[in-house]
Amino acid sequence: QSVLTQPPSVSAAPGQKVTISCSGSRSNIGNNFVSWYQHLPGTAPKLLIYDNNKRPSGIPDRFSGSRSGTSATLGITGLQAGDEAEYYCGTWDRSLSAGVFGGGTKLTVL
Amino acid sequence: EVQLLESGGGLVQPGGSLRLSCAASGFTFNNYAMAWVRQAPGRGLEWVSGVISSGTTYYAASVKGRFTLSRDHSKSTLYLEMNSLRADDTAVYYCARDLDGDLESLDFWGQGTLVTVSS
Repeated sequence: QSVLTQPPSVSAAPGQKVTISCSGSRSNIGNNFVSWYQHLPGTAPKLLIYDNNKRPSGIPDRFSGSRSGTSATLGITGLQAGDEAEYYCGTWDRSLSAGVFGGGTKLTVL
Repeated sequence: EVQLLESGGGLVQPGGSLRLSCAASGFTFNNYAMAWVRQAPGRGLEWVSGVISSGTTYYAASVKGRFTLSRDHSKSTLYLEMNSLRADDTAVYYCARDLDGDLESLDFWGQGTLVTVSS
């Protein structure tokens, strides 16, 4: 059981928009910045969003992030076949004194 | 170019030990917090351990007391000493660099090294 809760899967058609939620608590999302990662099988995870809503260099603005209270959301617009991957939220947990991830959400582009 | 190259994975018997290494290049290793993250077969990412620039180390509850993270600044290398290994430690282990020192965001990851714990 992951500390952060994500839906197991989401799906949408090419060109559409999808959102992925991440729910936590005051000890993690409520008081720390959230990051989002994209993970394709056999590759290294890639940082998509950091500090709740910032994009590293090279990440297209189709990817966006937001945080409200103890929840965070990743948004992806203009879906492409290449966006099919597992997506994870992550942050620091003050009570655990450890990093934490969500269980991952499998995105399917129909 | 930032590069992280893990090594040291392999097959080990339950109760055994293994030391993973992560050779870093392309950035000033001393200035960055670093972490280990693993992914068991068919499971999601799991944060394992991290170290900040002060040298303070942190561990997931599942590995505390069994795993030890260390770093050699002269070699720009991060280590993970794993003892009393169990079957549920079987995973691909990734080394990752932290973006801004607080272990909240990991901006560069290695390709991973596979650890298999089995008799």
